[in-house]
Amino acid sequence: AQRVTQPEKLLSVFKGAPVELKCNYSYSGSPELFWYVQYSRQRLQLLLRHISRESIKGFTADLNKGETSFHLKKPFAQEEDSAMYYCALIRTGANNLFFGTGTRLTVIP
Amino acid sequence: NAGVTQTPKFQVLKTGQSMTLQCAQDMNHEYMSWYRQDPGMGLRLIHYSVGAGITDQGEVPNGYNVSRSTTEDFPLRLLSAAPSQTSVYFCASSYRRIGPETQYFGPGTRLLVL
Repeated sequence: AQRVTQPEKLLSVFKGAPVELKCNYSYSGSPELFWYVQYSRQRLQLLLRHISRESIKGFTADLNKGETSFHLKKPFAQEEDSAMYYCALIRTGANNLFFGTGTRLTVIP
Repeated sequence: NAGVTQTPKFQVLKTGQSMTLQCAQDMNHEYMSWYRQDPGMGLRLIHYSVGAGITDQGEVPNGYNVSRSTTEDFPLRLLSAAPSQTSVYFCASSYRRIGPETQYFGPGTRLLVL
């Protein structure tokens, strides 16, 4: 069975400080990993997918298969980054998202 | 494109009542799904569909029914509402039935069961 763990329910950082949102997963196959973000009063939207290896809004995430992690990082947090962040996994050959419990990031001005 | 739309935005039910949450997409997406979002539990998959006429269960299907008679619509039915079904419900869709595909989410329906 697959599992996605986000150990931090709440995370607060000061504006301009680095931020790292942790995500660990367990899955016997080769999963596809995603980060979704939900800003206040907005719908859930895709932030990053690991196969794209891209940087969106200054965020990056690297898949570490050895540590089974997909942590989300940004070197300098901005106030507009305050949101709920979900790490999610899709099993090989499927399309169903399995979500972690989410981390609420607050960037303090 | 309107994207993924959901109605109603908010609903209050009494225990035992039934209702249907509507979801529609105008992107000609094959895959559609329903999630519920609960505090401390993230989003959990209720049911999904990989095309018209095809549905399957997710992680938490009990108490919910779905059907997919058209590509555009994927309604979620609560047969006999229970307080445990108080939640925020999200519908999502993606272009292809097989992943990994970016999923597009609706704005959500907030349901309160008394």
